[in-house]
Amino acid sequence: QQKVQQSPESLIVPEGGMASLNCTSSDRNVDYFWWYRQHSGKSPKMLMSIFSNGEKEEGRFTVHLNKASLHTSLHIRDSQPSDSALYLCAARATSSGQKLVFGQGTILKVYL
Amino acid sequence: GALVYQYPRRTICKSGTSMRMECQAVGFQATSVAWYRQSPQKTFELIALSTVNSAIKYEQNFTQEKFPISHPNLSFSSMTVLNAYLEDRGLYLCGAATGPQDTQYFGPGTRLLVL
Repeated sequence: QQKVQQSPESLIVPEGGMASLNCTSSDRNVDYFWWYRQHSGKSPKMLMSIFSNGEKEEGRFTVHLNKASLHTSLHIRDSQPSDSALYLCAARATSSGQKLVFGQGTILKVYL
Repeated sequence: GALVYQYPRRTICKSGTSMRMECQAVGFQATSVAWYRQSPQKTFELIALSTVNSAIKYEQNFTQEKFPISHPNLSFSSMTVLNAYLEDRGLYLCGAATGPQDTQYFGPGTRLLVL
């Protein structure tokens, strides 16, 4: 069964700092990754998605994907206290349609 | 924009009773609807994936007998937790998408507490 591993489990960065989160899938059929952010007590909101090798940038967020290693990373520059949340990586295999497999998440805390 | 509503937002039920939750997609056609559960201290587990005009596919450890799902049209789905017990507590999320290659949009979730 496909597994999605995220690291680190938790991360603490100062305000204005860079946060880097990692995610790897064990399924070679995975073709799409999503990054979601979930604030405490809320539902997850989609941040970014990626399916091509390389990187994609939206504002302070940059996502990298290496399809050969099935590894994706999310980088948040100029981190803000409001970025403190649980970050979830989800992977989807080509043949599985809308079935998403989520990692355990990385808890990010940004301190003043 | 694409919005997904879930009802109720929070609910409490007695052990052994059942609880029905609803999911409504607004602004797009929800061809597929996925139901997930986030148990305390755990990540999201897919319960089942429902695609209009196709059979509902349940994941291992989840059954139709326990979590019957209805997906009658492109904007609505419901799921019932039958005979709920303590291990069924958690946040139940509905994720809806237009097509198999599209982003899944999540509702706010239904938080279930079982007494």
